[in-house]
Amino acid sequence: KQEVTQIPAALSVPEGENLVLNCSFTDSAIYNLQWFRQDPGKGLTSLLLIQSSQREQTSGRLNASLDKSSGRSTLYIAASQPGDSATYLCAVRSRTQTGANNLFFGTGTRLTVIP
Amino acid sequence: KAGVTQTPRYLIKTRGQQVTLSCSPISGHRSVSWYQQTPGQGLQFLFEYFSETQRNKGNFPGRFSGRQFSNSRSEMNVSTLELGDSALYLCASSPYRDSPYEQYFGPGTRLTVT
Repeated sequence: KQEVTQIPAALSVPEGENLVLNCSFTDSAIYNLQWFRQDPGKGLTSLLLIQSSQREQTSGRLNASLDKSSGRSTLYIAASQPGDSATYLCAVRSRTQTGANNLFFGTGTRLTVIP
Repeated sequence: KAGVTQTPRYLIKTRGQQVTLSCSPISGHRSVSWYQQTPGQGLQFLFEYFSETQRNKGNFPGRFSGRQFSNSRSEMNVSTLELGDSALYLCASSPYRDSPYEQYFGPGTRLTVT
């Protein structure tokens, strides 16, 4: 069964710093990997989607990389701002034991950017 | 385009009751998935519907069920509620089912069971 791990569970950084969030997964046979942001009590906002054939995706101050062979992805946030404070979730889409196609989520990294 | 909408946003029910949650996907999206989010278990997949058919199901008891209508709107039902069913229930839609696609999430329905 696919298992997704995110380290660290929580992170506090001063405003302006660059930071990296990590995601690892156990089964490298994935269709894609998606990074989400979740504000307290709210739904998920999609940040970046990386297809299995891609190595990275960029959107503004965000850059996500994917190393499928090692089962790892990183989300790089440049020049962090207080508005970046949220929980960041990594999810991989892969096949289950029954052959279905599911999205498996990590437990998230709670980011606090201190003004 | 309007995003995924979920109703109601908040719900309080008593143990033993049943509840129905509703999800309207983004216009043109035909796939709807449901997830349960709790502090202890994180985000867990419940089921997925595509063209009114359940195509995929997570590891939840039969008390959890759903359906999808011809306009792609979906409902999720939980019968005989238990305290452990208290959670944020999220719905996500996407345009395709079998291609590597991006999912768009709604704001969720916060269910509290007392």
